[in-house]
Amino acid sequence: DSGVTQTPKHLITATGQRVTLRCSPRSGDLSVYWYQQSLDQGLQFLIQYYNGEERAKGNILERFSAQQFPDLHSELNLSSLELGDSALYFCASSVRESNYGYTFGSGTRLTVV
Amino acid sequence: GESVGLHLPTLSVQEGDNSIINCAYSNSASDYFIWYKQESGKGPQFIIDIRSNMDKRQGQRVTVLLNKTVKHLSLQIAATQPGDSAVYFCADILTGGGNKLTFGTGTQLKVEL
Repeated sequence: DSGVTQTPKHLITATGQRVTLRCSPRSGDLSVYWYQQSLDQGLQFLIQYYNGEERAKGNILERFSAQQFPDLHSELNLSSLELGDSALYFCASSVRESNYGYTFGSGTRLTVV
Repeated sequence: GESVGLHLPTLSVQEGDNSIINCAYSNSASDYFIWYKQESGKGPQFIIDIRSNMDKRQGQRVTVLLNKTVKHLSLQIAATQPGDSAVYFCADILTGGGNKLTFGTGTQLKVEL
């Protein structure tokens, strides 16, 4: 157990739907990162939050959004889902804003049918 | 980092042998590098890191070598064990240039008994 908790572990939904993925960082970690892992794109950085504020943005689609709440948990919202959004979505956390030795969660496997 | 293709390079080694996993990075300005291990069904796990002002760094049974001239990184695992079977990713970052890790092509390490 890495200490980073992601729910749900598996999610199957239809195209056009909206889902929310949840992440609880390790105790004491203030930074949360979201990554997408698909077969053809590998691990791609989506977005980072630090202590509730957005800090860095990667290849995140406009249909996707995220936020970090006062209790430091984070949610990744995926809307108007397409087949190509099927992937593993990982959350990672670190203590400082620029600590790159992230601790990853076990991921949420999203399948869009 | 490089994009991940559908088929990961595979390295098969005998238990007890040393393993060498290679990685090429593309951004010559990257100044921090990390190796991650990803076991089936789990998130990436931090193994070891190295800064660009170093050529070599050793951990427990692992050594990372950095050759900035040819933009090449390698991970050496001594006395490979069955538990080392996993996909290994290198990642690089340009500190101060955003907080995203760029992951390279993964390598599937298979340890044969």
